[in-house]
Amino acid sequence: ETGVTQSPTHLIKTRGQQVTLRCSSQSGHNTVSWYQQALGQGPQFIFQYYREEENGRGNFPPRFSGLQFPNYSSELNVNALELDDSALYLCASSLPGANVLTFGAGSRLTVL
Amino acid sequence: SQQGEEDPQALSIQEGENATMNCSYKTSINNLQWYRQNSGRGLVHLILIRSNEREKHSGRLRVTLDTSKKSSSLLITASRAADTASYFCATGDNNAGNMLTFGGGTRLMVKP
Repeated sequence: ETGVTQSPTHLIKTRGQQVTLRCSSQSGHNTVSWYQQALGQGPQFIFQYYREEENGRGNFPPRFSGLQFPNYSSELNVNALELDDSALYLCASSLPGANVLTFGAGSRLTVL
Repeated sequence: SQQGEEDPQALSIQEGENATMNCSYKTSINNLQWYRQNSGRGLVHLILIRSNEREKHSGRLRVTLDTSKKSSSLLITASRAADTASYFCATGDNNAGNMLTFGGGTRLMVKP
C-alpha cells in the first residue's frame, strides 16, 4: 500500500508566474485536501476535493484552484504568484467519512 | 487564521522526562487530533479524541480534552531523542470533521 506522494518536492518561481503541484492519494482514499504551511506556522486549510468536486474551501483567494481526477489524484494550481505564497504545500488524503488525514511529504515553493 | 494557540511554542527536555503540550481552540468541535512533523516534512497522525471523550491513551501518549475550557493537552511520557519534532493540534467541526484547523505547534527538543 503506497502512501500520499507529492511532486515536485522543491521548486522556485518568480512573482507573477503560475505553478501546478501534484498529489497522488493513498490507495482507497477518495478525499483529498490541500494545506499551506508558512515557515514556523501551522498548516492552513486551502480546500478539499471529493468525487472530483470542491467540497470545502478555506480563506484563500480564487487564484488558488484545484482539480481532482477519477483516480482520486489531485492538482493545486496557483496563479499570479506572490512572495507570500512561499510555503510548504501539503496534500492529505482520507477514507470516505474519516476524520484522520494521511499527509504527503509536501512541495516546498519559493517565490522570488 | 489559526484556530487557537499552542503552549509552549518551544520545549526542551532531557531524555526520560515527560513532555506536556497544551492546545486551546475557539469554536465548537467534533474531534481534536494531534499530529507530529519532523523537520518541515509531512505530518503524521498521532491520536484523535472525540468531543464526547475526556481522555485517551496510545502507547506513551496521553491526550485530554476539556470542551468547557476549549482546551486539550498532549503528554508524552518517558521521552526519547527520536520524539524531537513539532507537534500540532488540529480540530474538525461538526459540519466538516476532516477539514482541519491547526494550531501554531509546539517545537519539542529531547536531549540525549
